[in-house]
Amino acid sequence: EAQVTQNPRYLITVTGKKLTVTCSQNMNHEYMSWYRQDPGLGLRQIYYSMNVEVTDKGDVPEGYKVSRKEKRNFPLILESPSPNQTSLYFCASSLGPSISGANVLTFGAGSRLTVL
Amino acid sequence: LAKTTQPISMDSYEGQEVNITCSHNNIATNDYITWYQQFPSQGPRFIIQGYKTKVTNEVASLFIPADRKSSTLSLPRVSLSDTAVYYCLVARYSGAGSYQLTFGKGTKLSVIP
Repeated sequence: EAQVTQNPRYLITVTGKKLTVTCSQNMNHEYMSWYRQDPGLGLRQIYYSMNVEVTDKGDVPEGYKVSRKEKRNFPLILESPSPNQTSLYFCASSLGPSISGANVLTFGAGSRLTVL
Repeated sequence: LAKTTQPISMDSYEGQEVNITCSHNNIATNDYITWYQQFPSQGPRFIIQGYKTKVTNEVASLFIPADRKSSTLSLPRVSLSDTAVYYCLVARYSGAGSYQLTFGKGTKLSVIP
C-alpha cells in the first residue's frame, strides 16, 4: 500500500531533550515536507526537500532541523525542544518535480508532540 | 510568499451543494491551486487541483476565474460524511527546482441532517 509512515504517533517529552520524528514513504516520491498544525493557524510548512541532499526552509523553520540522506526518508529533528513546539506534525510527500506534481501531497497520519 | 484566505466555517444541510471560496490575491503566473480534505485525527487528503477555468472529478469541481485571484471548491449534494476541514493550497515555484506550498487556515464544513 502506498503510504507515508511517521513515528512516533504520540510523544511527551521535556524541554531540551533532543528528539527525532521519522518519516518514510514507499512511493519513490522526490518531494517531501514537514508541517505543523495548530488550532486557528492551519498547516504551516516547516521544511521541504526536492530530492536527496536538497532541503530548504518553509514558513516556520526555527527550532527544527531536517536531513534527506535517502530518497524515502525525511526525519524531523528537534535539537532542544521547547513548549511552543507542542503541536501536531505531519509529513507529506509528492511526486514532483513539476509544479502540478509537487502539490499533490500524500500525508502521514500525524505525530502529536507535547513538550513539558 | 503566496497568501490565502478562507472562511473559518460553513454549515450546510444534507443534499445541498456547497461552495467554499479561497482568496489568493497575490497569486503568481505559474502558481497551482489545490484543495485538501481533513477528517479529525487524520492527515489531509488530496481532493482536486487546477490552474484555470473549471476542473471536475468524481468528488468535486474546482472553479477558477480568469484573474485567478480566487478559487471555489464545489461539493455536490453533501452528506454527513463530508463534514471535515477543507484547505486550499497554492503551490509556487521558487527557483532552483524548489516549490513553496502555502496552505490556507482551513474551512470547517459541518453538514446537518
